[in-house]
Amino acid sequence: KAGVTQTPRYLIKTRGQQVTLSCSPISGHRSVSWYQQTPGQGLQFLFEYFSETQRNKGNFPGRFSGRQFSNSRSEMNVSTLELGDSALYLCASSLQGFANTGELFFGEGSRLTVL
Amino acid sequence: SQQGEEDPQALSIQEGENATMNCSYKTSINNLQWYRQNSGRGLVHLILIRSNEREKHSGRLRVTLDTSKKSSSLLITASRAADTASYFCATDANAGGTSYGKLTFGQGTILTVHP
Repeated sequence: KAGVTQTPRYLIKTRGQQVTLSCSPISGHRSVSWYQQTPGQGLQFLFEYFSETQRNKGNFPGRFSGRQFSNSRSEMNVSTLELGDSALYLCASSLQGFANTGELFFGEGSRLTVL
Repeated sequence: SQQGEEDPQALSIQEGENATMNCSYKTSINNLQWYRQNSGRGLVHLILIRSNEREKHSGRLRVTLDTSKKSSSLLITASRAADTASYFCATDANAGGTSYGKLTFGQGTILTVHP
């Protein structure tokens, strides 16, 4: 069974640009969560989608957005990039759609560098 | 904000020795999980312990949970060089009863196992 796939793995952008990251969950998994990892702030929750609906959102500005498609694939978008957005963006999927969070299966991440 | 605080921040041991990492958290939880991350790659789930459990084993891993002290420990027995990685505790906080994909991660312990 294929794992969680994230594309692109690496990308470089300049301030003010926007970026779209993609995540394909494990087949059959309907919940997709996104996390940002930086050396200073560690791992922080961005948002979670289930059946194309955003059910939870972390404390990030509106420049960070996401969506989920009917096949459970998800994208996140960051507009008007800032230097501080440089990070490893991790996508995770889970089989269950329960209110509580169980085991998450993470992708390898998309490493974004903003110049 | 980080729910979990991990101790120590870094741990260096010889192959064959045991490694113990500790995690403290602030709010009531549904479960606590441990993840491993190699060199800024994706996270791998190791073990999940529910709030009504006190101890759990998985292969060379032993996790304990003390909800009265809001703390957990991860013990890796007979460490191998391949165990070199960062280890994170993550909590499914019980605030409001739902977390929907949100785990709150600690800052992690960097474990180095020397051959």
